[in-house]
Amino acid sequence: DTGVSQDPRHKITKRGQNVTFRCDPISEHNRLYWYRQTLGQGPEFLTYFQNEAQLEKSRLLSDRFSAERPKGSFSTLEIQRTEQGDSAMYLCASTPLEGQGPDTQYFGPGTRLTVL
Amino acid sequence: RKEVEQDPGPFNVPEGATVAFNCTYSNSASQSFFWYRQDCRKEPKLLMSVYSSGNEDGRFTAQLNRASQYISLLIRDSKLSDSATYLCVVNMRNTGKLIFGQGTTLQVKP
Repeated sequence: DTGVSQDPRHKITKRGQNVTFRCDPISEHNRLYWYRQTLGQGPEFLTYFQNEAQLEKSRLLSDRFSAERPKGSFSTLEIQRTEQGDSAMYLCASTPLEGQGPDTQYFGPGTRLTVL
Repeated sequence: RKEVEQDPGPFNVPEGATVAFNCTYSNSASQSFFWYRQDCRKEPKLLMSVYSSGNEDGRFTAQLNRASQYISLLIRDSKLSDSATYLCVVNMRNTGKLIFGQGTTLQVKP
């Protein structure tokens, strides 16, 4: 499978615990995006990377959230001290910087987080 | 006010009906425009890009009016398999980040 992959697909955790999600973008895609989607809403932008550089963070990304893309390939999103309001689907998307339309983003299947 | 606004619906239509979805966007820095389709508990998938000249893909027609900051999607001859949530999406210049509307739910009934 050459699409975007995310791991785990589902995560149930207790309030106050830390969780980490992983995203593997399509090979050689320079840009990687994280979005969050709650029930009944469209996805909301969290942050994005161009290669290993994190270029923008949404105000939605509180100091409990951190994202990395250390080698410009896969990315991780960590949430510390989870709260019930963090329950959502976390989506990752990637896109090439050049070539076949940088506008087109390809989404992974998402990680569904439930905080009890 | 949300940057991209859509009527959430739901739209309940019979098979074979024609249905139209609209959305408006507020940021004039929006560069590109799309409709994405999202099935229940799945990731969004690109349905089609939207251009000022209008574009068609089979039973689907999309239109952009930059002056009015208005985007539309028309689905003709609805199929049961068209039942999904349709997300209106704009792409921001420079960053490429996508701004999504709330989504419009379509339910096509036999």
